[in-house]
Amino acid sequence: QVQLVQSGAEVKKPGASVKVSCKASGYTFINYYFHWVRQAPGQGLEWMGIIRPSGGVADSAQRFQGRLTMTRDTSTSTVYMELSSLTSDDTAVYYCARERPEGYRFDLWGQGTLVTVSS
Amino acid sequence: ELVLTQSPGALSLSPGESATLSCRASQSVPADYLAWYQQKPGQAPRLLIYAASTRATDIPDRFTGSGSGTYFTLTISRLEPEDFAVYHCQQYLYPAYAFGQGTKLEI
Repeated sequence: QVQLVQSGAEVKKPGASVKVSCKASGYTFINYYFHWVRQAPGQGLEWMGIIRPSGGVADSAQRFQGRLTMTRDTSTSTVYMELSSLTSDDTAVYYCARERPEGYRFDLWGQGTLVTVSS
Repeated sequence: ELVLTQSPGALSLSPGESATLSCRASQSVPADYLAWYQQKPGQAPRLLIYAASTRATDIPDRFTGSGSGTYFTLTISRLEPEDFAVYHCQQYLYPAYAFGQGTKLEI
């Protein structure tokens, strides 16, 4: 079954970091790019960044540069997103999503991971 | 920076009617880079349309995408109860991707 399965909900204090995983199955992991997209409560979708599994190259949206780290483990077909220096504004559901190279669309999504930042 | 503006913010219609949702980009982008998603409460988005007008797998032909340059539309004809959801447009402009703020289609 082709799917992306994310790790469970997290509660973090301001200033902490959070690491979310996204495990791919049912297809060849390195043949697709991965993106991270977040959605704050009641808000729209916000693109955060992209990682290309074959070489591990990652690019972040400008507003997350310096505190967003994306990595991958090809042995387990898993990508990771770590966001540091959390504030309450980072409270959101975080999604991973797949893109066929140069497809410019996200054809498969994880189920989402709720990250709550609260003191 | 690419900014996408969707309108209307919310749209109230009845089953059987047609809906037209728009997505306006702050810069002209190739149609190949425009996609639409449907999102229901508590669920991840689902790809509906890509390359502005190509339906994704298993998407019924009631969903039609069109447009070019800076203006794109998603038309849903003969609304079914399951079509009431939030719709997002998304584009790519090197080196970033962007989403609109969404249009809520409600009964």
